Amino acid sequence: DQQVKQNSPSLSVQEGRISILNCDYTNSMFDYFLWYKKYPAEGPTFLISISSIKDKNEDGRFTVFLNKSAKHLSLHIVPSQPGDSAVYFCAASVFGDNDMRFGAGTRLTVKP
Amino acid sequence: DAGVTQSPTHLIKTRGQQVTLRCSPKSGHDTVSWYQQALGQGPQFIFQYYEEEERQRGNFPDRFSGHQFPNYSSELNVNALLLGDSALYLCASSSPRGGYTFGSGTRLTVV
Repeated sequence: DQQVKQNSPSLSVQEGRISILNCDYTNSMFDYFLWYKKYPAEGPTFLISISSIKDKNEDGRFTVFLNKSAKHLSLHIVPSQPGDSAVYFCAASVFGDNDMRFGAGTRLTVKP
Repeated sequence: DAGVTQSPTHLIKTRGQQVTLRCSPKSGHDTVSWYQQALGQGPQFIFQYYEEEERQRGNFPDRFSGHQFPNYSSELNVNALLLGDSALYLCASSSPRGGYTFGSGTRLTVV
């Protein structure tokens, strides 16, 4: 069962513009959400997270928005840089449950 | 400070064989989780080890088993390999304060 979905397999943006990556989930019990970035031949690297008690979390160029009623979260990267080109995974978990559920990933390409 | 180390990086096995993958956690981490990432999909939780015991298990058959050693390192064993077991196997370590650190993975190909 696909409880976390990233419906866009790929996204291409111009350097300096905003990148918006989307993620939808079906399990209303999820209360913690994370974004990971993965370069080829490397493991996923934690990027940013958000708790369900918040609707926004910001860290430098990266902002995650959470819309609990729509069961939707998004990652905004502003401004996008070529080094941001990677696969981005959305993940969700329930407090006390060690089974973190991942989406299938979105490949972001930032063109110079 | 070394992060999570996985070995081997690549492996080719024949259907029906058995395989053992290894993981050394990041210094200071005592919990190890294993994930399977099939092509075009996100990582799927296999199980988590803490204090040398399996603490939680995902939806994987008993052919998948593991072990954690006193030094917190861990092994993932897969018996009776199927073609569908071909995937990238990721190990992630964590501490009680939280935060997962992933290794680069072992690419397993079953032929």
